[in-house]
Amino acid sequence: KAGVTQTPRYLIKTRGQQVTLSCSPISGHRSVSWYQQTPGQGLQFLFEYFSETQRNKGNFPGRFSGRQFSNSRSEMNVSTLELGDSALYLCASSPVAGVYNEQFFGPGTRLTVL
Amino acid sequence: GENVEQHPSTLSVQEGDSAVIKCTYSDSASNYFPWYKQELGKRPQLIIDIRSNVGEKKDQRIAVTLNKTAKHFSLHITETQPEDSAVYFCAASTIGRSQGNLIFGKGTKLSVKP
Repeated sequence: KAGVTQTPRYLIKTRGQQVTLSCSPISGHRSVSWYQQTPGQGLQFLFEYFSETQRNKGNFPGRFSGRQFSNSRSEMNVSTLELGDSALYLCASSPVAGVYNEQFFGPGTRLTVL
Repeated sequence: GENVEQHPSTLSVQEGDSAVIKCTYSDSASNYFPWYKQELGKRPQLIIDIRSNVGEKKDQRIAVTLNKTAKHFSLHITETQPEDSAVYFCAASTIGRSQGNLIFGKGTKLSVKP
């Protein structure tokens, strides 16, 4: 099976702009979760979607939002970008709901905010 | 909220030695504890996980132990090899919690010197 894919792989934006990242899960996986990875904070959970519904949400401001489509593909949107949003954004998929199952990670999208 | 502390942040061992990484968690309801390995420039991958109904789990050279009373769990790698060099993340979650999420430790950079 093809692995989790994310597009774009690299992105440069300026403060105040918004950005949309895309994630395609492994075929048959219906859960998609998003994570932010930074050198200072490590890996932080953003949210999980399953069957087009948000099941879990981490401690991030409302500028971070997401959605999932009927084919399980997911998008994450960040509005009003701040310098601190520069990070590697990873998505992960799982065949069943719940982040307490093995997460299969994608390669990530490297976002740089200038 | 849940917090996971991970120690040490860096660990250097000689090939063939053992390596131990320790994590403590704050939420006594946590009952799922995975360990992820992230090699340089690659995506995190699950290497082992444990649920709170067992105290120890082994998979070849890797083992995880859990002490629920003390709220800590540890990763043990025996007979280390250069390919074990990576950043290791512990995490904690609560199975069945509808709004649960996955809280990661800050990571341990393991270097295995040949």
